[in-house]
Amino acid sequence: EVQLVESGGGLVQTGGSLRLSCAASGFRFSDYWMSWVRQAPGKGLEWVGNIKEDGSEKYYVDSVKGRFSFSRDNAKNSLYLQMNSLKAGDTAVYYCARAYDDGLGAFDIWGRGTVVTVSS
Amino acid sequence: VLTQSPLSLPVTPGQTASISCRSSESLVHKDGNTYLNWFHQRPGQSPRRLIYKVSARDSGVPDRFSGSGSGTDFTLTITRVEAEDIGVYYCMHGTHWNVYSFGQGTKLEIK
Repeated sequence: EVQLVESGGGLVQTGGSLRLSCAASGFRFSDYWMSWVRQAPGKGLEWVGNIKEDGSEKYYVDSVKGRFSFSRDNAKNSLYLQMNSLKAGDTAVYYCARAYDDGLGAFDIWGRGTVVTVSS
Repeated sequence: VLTQSPLSLPVTPGQTASISCRSSESLVHKDGNTYLNWFHQRPGQSPRRLIYKVSARDSGVPDRFSGSGSGTDFTLTITRVEAEDIGVYYCMHGTHWNVYSFGQGTKLEIK
């Protein structure tokens, strides 16, 4: 079964850090771009950014540039999101999702999400 | 920027629902394709892709769902609406190099 499972969410103070993980199974992870998408409570979907199959290219939405960083370990079929200098506005459910065809075919598979709460 | 309308859509079961998605710029990619997708999110669930490249249905999506449009104007049409269709529908494009954008979402509810 093709699956993505996020983990690592939790409650963190403003200015703190958190590292999210996304474990992939059921498909050749190294063949796909991977993205993070977030959803603030009661709000719509916001693309956070993505990372190329080999990790050589990464793109971020402006609001997280310089604070968030993506990485991946293809040997472990895992995607990571390092979040630093967290703000209240980063509170959201964070989903990982895959994209194919050089990133243009997005997002056919999603995880269930992990909740990040940033509080003072 | 993708602008959806309406933002709220009450529908009687069995009727047809239509959601519009308009882009501030053409979504035609240099390869000639238009990477406009539609997603459905039920309460408490992850989004699910329904339609990709304007009009192609994902596996398992009922043929009651159809996508149409071109350039900057796109429409998701749901015929014979059922109770299970409730939730929020989002359009999304990934046409411009590695910058994705979602519409605000349209909440479909059953009358």
